[in-house]
Amino acid sequence: DAGVTQSPTHLIKTRGQQVTLRCSPKSGHDTVSWYQQALGQGPQFIFQYYEEEERQRGNFPDRFSGHQFPNYSSELNVNALLLGDSALYLCASSIFSGGTSTDTQYFGPGTRLTVL
Amino acid sequence: GNSVTQMEGPVTLSEEAFLTINCTYTATGYPSLFWYVQYPGEGLQLLLKATKADDKGSNKGFEATYRKETTSFHLEKGSVQVSDSAVYFCALNNQGGKLIFGQGTELSVKP
Repeated sequence: DAGVTQSPTHLIKTRGQQVTLRCSPKSGHDTVSWYQQALGQGPQFIFQYYEEEERQRGNFPDRFSGHQFPNYSSELNVNALLLGDSALYLCASSIFSGGTSTDTQYFGPGTRLTVL
Repeated sequence: GNSVTQMEGPVTLSEEAFLTINCTYTATGYPSLFWYVQYPGEGLQLLLKATKADDKGSNKGFEATYRKETTSFHLEKGSVQVSDSAVYFCALNNQGGKLIFGQGTELSVKP
């Protein structure tokens, strides 16, 4: 049973560029969440997608956008990259349970983004 | 608002020592609580969870009990191994969507 997969593993960009990160959820999962983890910190929630719509969003600027496809895979796009966007970007998948607190999220290995 | 506070690390133990990593939370309602582990250079792995008060989550020798009266979810293991060296994150889910994480506690186990 394949777990959550993410691509690419590592990425180096320069300030002002745009980047797209990709995520495939665990088999049978329909919900994808994205998190940003700065070095030495806990992950911070960016947004969550279900039924191809953004269901919930954290405190991130509009430069961060996403998409979910009919096969439940997802993309995270970041425009006008800043040095502070350098982080590990984690994707997590889950099975939507009607918005209860019992949803269990399973994480992928992450994409390490470095902005120079 | 919702928040999670963990004991600061790094925590350094000898092999076979007893482990406790403290976690307390602030939340309205009835959140679910989780422990995740992150090995160097990897993503997060779910270690255990508890969805209601007095539930005990357990996995791979680790345990944590959901204590609503003290708003705590401390992680324990009776005998740690070198392979347990990692960063441990306590998290809560109170809104069906986002996980709110603590800052993480680094554990280093020496042989």
